[in-house]
Amino acid sequence: KAGVTQTPRYLIKTRGQQVTLSCSPISGHRSVSWYQQTPGQGLQFLFEYFSETQRNKGNFPGRFSGRQFSNSRSEMNVSTLELGDSALYLCASSLARQGAGEQFFGPGTRLTVL
Amino acid sequence: AQSVTQLGSHVSVSEGALVLLRCNYSSSVPPYLFWYVQYPNQGLQLLLKYTTGATLVKGINGFEAEFKKSETSFHLTKPSAHMSDAAEYFCAVSGGSSASKIIFGSGTRLSIRP
Repeated sequence: KAGVTQTPRYLIKTRGQQVTLSCSPISGHRSVSWYQQTPGQGLQFLFEYFSETQRNKGNFPGRFSGRQFSNSRSEMNVSTLELGDSALYLCASSLARQGAGEQFFGPGTRLTVL
Repeated sequence: AQSVTQLGSHVSVSEGALVLLRCNYSSSVPPYLFWYVQYPNQGLQLLLKYTTGATLVKGINGFEAEFKKSETSFHLTKPSAHMSDAAEYFCAVSGGSSASKIIFGSGTRLSIRP
């Protein structure tokens, strides 16, 4: 069974631009969670989608948004990029909601904002 | 609500020595507990998990962890460290239900000395 895939793997943008990241969960998984990982802040939860609905949200500004499609694939969008948005963005999928079991992580998208 | 504390942001051991990574949790309900490992430029990979039942949990790569309710701990151990164990390790806790979130610790970087 294929694992969680994230595209693109690497991305370079400039301040003020917007970016869309994509995550394809393991087949059959309905929950997709997004995390931001930086050396200073560690692993921070962005949001969780389950059955196309946002179920949980972390403490990030409205510039960070996401959505989930009927096939469970998810996208995350960051608008008006800032230098501080440079990070590794991880997506994780699970069969049920994130609190009910283990999550399976993708390799991440490394975003660099110049 | 759940929380998790990893003691020691960086642990260094000699090759062949015992590995002990500490994790303490707080949970208002019986917890699900997880240890994940992250190698450079990769996503997180599940090492082991505790949900219910046996309190000593064996995982991949020779790691194991023991759930101690009285001490609210879930420390990760490996009898003999290998150079390939160098990575970042994350402890995580959830409430085990669809209504709960999964909370990650701040991570412990494990270095192995030759």
